[in-house]
Amino acid sequence: QVQLQESGPGLVKPSQTLSLTCTVSGGSISSGNYYWSWIRQHPGKGLEWIGYIFHSGSTFYNPSLKSRLTISIHTSKNQFSLRLSSVTAADTAVYFCAGGHSGSFSNWFDPWGQGTLVTVSS
Amino acid sequence: SSELTQDPAVSVALGQTVRITCRGDSLRSYYASWYQQKPGQAPVVVIYAKNNRPSEIPDRFSGSSSGSTASLTITGAQAEDEGDYYCNSRDISGNHLVFGGGTKLTVL
Repeated sequence: QVQLQESGPGLVKPSQTLSLTCTVSGGSISSGNYYWSWIRQHPGKGLEWIGYIFHSGSTFYNPSLKSRLTISIHTSKNQFSLRLSSVTAADTAVYFCAGGHSGSFSNWFDPWGQGTLVTVSS
Repeated sequence: SSELTQDPAVSVALGQTVRITCRGDSLRSYYASWYQQKPGQAPVVVIYAKNNRPSEIPDRFSGSSSGSTASLTITGAQAEDEGDYYCNSRDISGNHLVFGGGTKLTVL
């Protein structure tokens, strides 16, 4: 079964770029069965959808983050990544990667990575 | 509106039935999926595509939808069902996704 694992720095300075990678195991990132997603959770708060990418490279971003966000897919490494520029303390959160599914008038996320805490601080 | 609204907290007596609701305009067009999250863990999908359960989720979990409201029902709640529950769907455009604010379920 497909499993996901996030990796990247746990501490980023304000104004810098947050970069995370999600490694997919147990299946091919190019299979087309998923759209590869990033979701975050601010400390003690709810879930926020960040964006997703199809195996074709097409992306959809949360409008509130779009100007700072890039999601890329790296098929040779079976990975996809997130880059969020000009970060502030408001970007401190646990970042999850997830495999998204789309059906008739429906969507859902399964599986999820374990999540990684990214703190924005000088 | 692209928002999904959930009650912040709900409680249920052990063994009783509880309904957690999610309201939003986009739910008139799209089904909700539901996630359970326990402290320090990643969310786990419990219901997707209106009323489908992953094989590992107990059949006491069920989903339904009416108009702009989606519901997650737990019939015979157990202590291990305590946690935060989030709904998720598409926004009206269909291209963006949105989560509800979450409901904290307490089993008394």
